[in-house]
Amino acid sequence: EDQVTQSPEALRLQEGESSSLNCSYTVSGLRGLFWYRQDPGKGPEFLFTLYSAGEEKEKERLKATLTKKESFLHITAPKPEDSATYLCAVQAGSGGYQKVTFGTGTKLQVIP
Amino acid sequence: KAGVTQTPRYLIKTRGQQVTLSCSPISGHRSVSWYQQTPGQGLQFLFEYFSETQRNKGNFPGRFSGRQFSNSRSEMNVSTLELGDSALYLCASSLEDRGIGGYTFGSGTRLTVV
Repeated sequence: EDQVTQSPEALRLQEGESSSLNCSYTVSGLRGLFWYRQDPGKGPEFLFTLYSAGEEKEKERLKATLTKKESFLHITAPKPEDSATYLCAVQAGSGGYQKVTFGTGTKLQVIP
Repeated sequence: KAGVTQTPRYLIKTRGQQVTLSCSPISGHRSVSWYQQTPGQGLQFLFEYFSETQRNKGNFPGRFSGRQFSNSRSEMNVSTLELGDSALYLCASSLEDRGIGGYTFGSGTRLTVV
């Protein structure tokens, strides 16, 4: 069974204090790994898709990287508006059957 | 352009009743997926549709069903509601098949079963 594990569950940072969130996965036939951000009371907001080991993507203060077993979301000099829950998801399978599995998220709080 | 629209936003139902939730994807998106989100289980995949065909189904009982119409709008139905069905139900659409390019989520329907 596909498994996605995110750590830490919660992270509290001072404004400007850089850190990384981890997403480790065990799947058969990885098709893509996604990062989303979710604010309270809203649906997840798409951030990145990574397709193969070694790939990196950047957007403002966020940078996502992918290896064969895990992905990292690096947050550089975070601001209070970066506070949210960050979700990792993997799409895996082959042929006619593919499934998306989400991790339970990392709740990030950035303090001014 | 308009995002993914889910209706209603909030719903309160009694155990044993049935409910239908609606999702209008972004114009041009043909892939629609449904998820259940609860504090304890996180986001769990329900099903995915592409061009009116169900592509995949998650591990939910047969009380959960869905369909997609020719205009890509989708509905999901839950029959014989149980207290444990209380959750945020999220719909997501994608331009590409199987959502490889990433999904755009709606704000969800908050279902409370009493």
